[in-house]
Amino acid sequence: EAGVTQFPSHSVIEKGQTVTLRCDPISGHDNLYWYRRVMGKEIKFLLHFVKESKQDESGMPNNRFLAERTGGTYSTLKVQPAELEDSGVYFCASSQEKPPTYNEQFFGPGTRLTVL
Amino acid sequence: DAKTTQPNSMESNEEEPVHLPCNHSTISGTDYIHWYRQLPSQGPEYVIHGLTSNVNNRMASLAIAEDRKSSTLILHRATLRDAAVYYCICSYGQNFVFGPGTRLSVLP
Repeated sequence: EAGVTQFPSHSVIEKGQTVTLRCDPISGHDNLYWYRRVMGKEIKFLLHFVKESKQDESGMPNNRFLAERTGGTYSTLKVQPAELEDSGVYFCASSQEKPPTYNEQFFGPGTRLTVL
Repeated sequence: DAKTTQPNSMESNEEEPVHLPCNHSTISGTDYIHWYRQLPSQGPEYVIHGLTSNVNNRMASLAIAEDRKSSTLILHRATLRDAAVYYCICSYGQNFVFGPGTRLSVLP
């Protein structure tokens, strides 16, 4: 079974440009999460989809970030315009169900974003 | 979600047991205790989880204090592949709050 995949693995862009990150969760997983680690900081939650609906987007840093999950399958995270402080590693994770049923989260390898 | 406290780093010799502690004194009754680890250049991966009772799986064991204010992840025989950052997370929901974790070094 394929795991969570993310594309691209690396992206280098200039400040002010737009970048779109893609995440393909494990097939059949309704829950999809985005996290990120910016330089020197801890991994932080960004948002959570249940199917195509945003369940919790409390971690989104500002309105330059837009996440979508059309059709409840893959998700995209767009940063527009990118700023220097957006550099870091963006992780996607998926899981099958919500509490109280316990489900482990499966993480992708991450996309390393560098904004110059 | 409860705040967790872990040592910044630990060292172990290969094939010896490793006990990774975690304090979570503000844990609520419904919070699970999750352990994930992150190997270099990879995303975090699930290790084990528990609620009240000790747990064993093929990767590790989780010992939970009776008052649930602390827990210990036990790797029974550390291998070089176990070198990673280990995160202890307490939450009911799955919007995890990651701390800095414990960086485990395994010496051959």
